[in-house]
Amino acid sequence: AQSVTQPDIHITVSEGASLELRCNYSYGATPYLFWYVQSPGQGLQLLLKYFSGDTLVQGIKGFEAEFKRSQSSFNLRKPSVHWSDAAEYFCAVGSGNTGKLIFGQGTTLQVKP
Amino acid sequence: DVKVTQSSRYLVKRTGEKVFLECVQDMDHENMFWYRQDPGLGLRLIYFSYDVKMKEKGDIPEGYSVSREKKERFSLILESASTNQTSMYLCASRTTGANYGYTFGSGTRLTVV
Repeated sequence: AQSVTQPDIHITVSEGASLELRCNYSYGATPYLFWYVQSPGQGLQLLLKYFSGDTLVQGIKGFEAEFKRSQSSFNLRKPSVHWSDAAEYFCAVGSGNTGKLIFGQGTTLQVKP
Repeated sequence: DVKVTQSSRYLVKRTGEKVFLECVQDMDHENMFWYRQDPGLGLRLIYFSYDVKMKEKGDIPEGYSVSREKKERFSLILESASTNQTSMYLCASRTTGANYGYTFGSGTRLTVV
């Protein structure tokens, strides 16, 4: 069965500091992996996705994520956080066959000035 | 661009009422999904469909049913609404091929009183 764990419910970083949000997944086959961001009162926005190929994926807004099969992880990173990055971040794993997409519980990012 | 349209942005219903949430996509997608989003729990899959009249239970199907009579429309039904079904409901459809991914609707905020 598919599952996703985001170990950190809430993270606070200072503006300009680096960021890493953790995501661990469970899936028997090659996973389709996604990171979404949601600002308060807004819809989901896709940051990046991974299906195959280069395990370091570049996304929008300066984000990147690295797929590590041996660790079943797909952590999201940003070298320098901006105040506008404050939002909730969701990791998700999809099945290529059924299309079933399962989300983690989300990590809320707070950015200190 | 794919559009996923949810018919209502806000709904208020009474306990025991039968509630229909409608979702329409305009790209002939086979896969459609219904999620509910609650603080601290992320997005949880209720039901999904991979073709007309075909459906599968997600992780939290209790108290819900779905209907897919036409490819473009996927309806979520609350047979007898209860206060614990107060939530944000999100519909999505899946794009396959080179632009693989998921498009989400804007959501319906349902309050059951």
